[in-house]
Amino acid sequence: DGGITQSPKYLFRKEGQNVTLSCEQNLNHDAMYWYRQDPGQGLRLIYYSQIVNDFQKGDIAEGYSVSREKKESFPLTVTSAQKNPTAFYLCASSQGDSGEAFFGQGTRLTVV
Amino acid sequence: GQNIDQPTEMTATEGAIVQINCTYQTSGFNGLFWYQQHAGEAPTFLSYNVLDGLEEKGRFSSFLSRSKGYSYLLLKELQMKDSASYLCAVLDSNYQLIWGAGTKLIIKP
Repeated sequence: DGGITQSPKYLFRKEGQNVTLSCEQNLNHDAMYWYRQDPGQGLRLIYYSQIVNDFQKGDIAEGYSVSREKKESFPLTVTSAQKNPTAFYLCASSQGDSGEAFFGQGTRLTVV
Repeated sequence: GQNIDQPTEMTATEGAIVQINCTYQTSGFNGLFWYQQHAGEAPTFLSYNVLDGLEEKGRFSSFLSRSKGYSYLLLKELQMKDSASYLCAVLDSNYQLIWGAGTKLIIKP
């Protein structure tokens, strides 16, 4: 079955540590996205990539980094520079001009 | 700037009908999406409108007026499982999705 997979679903880290969230898709989509969602809030775009080896900052990129070495994979690293990293992180992909976003199950990151 | 407005929260009764409104101001328009998101889960696709008018899909319908920058999602025969947040998103001229903050719908028995 085609889909988009995020792992892990829950993640705990100590303050000051970098952590990498995984996102893999087998939908053959060109575009991939990382969003952050805080309680009661909408989706805020962190980074997006429309093609392999290229990515762009979204609205809240500070303290985050990404890579897109393969079409299927778009990992997000939450660095120690991110002041308030505890949040729900969603990865999504889409194809061409259709615009419809397909989401992974999300990763809930808690920094203690 | 780009802006999408939705009510923060709405309450409705099981079996009733509810309309969730969305107004938008974006750089271009290539379609409007509605997604449903249950607490702690990922959003799931409900509907897509690119032309003016009403799109019906079972208990859910979505309406678009491009000249007014306005859409609504209509939910009929409400069920308890419809309790969720409903997100409006517009595809702008760069084919980027611009998201509203979502409307939390509470269904009461």
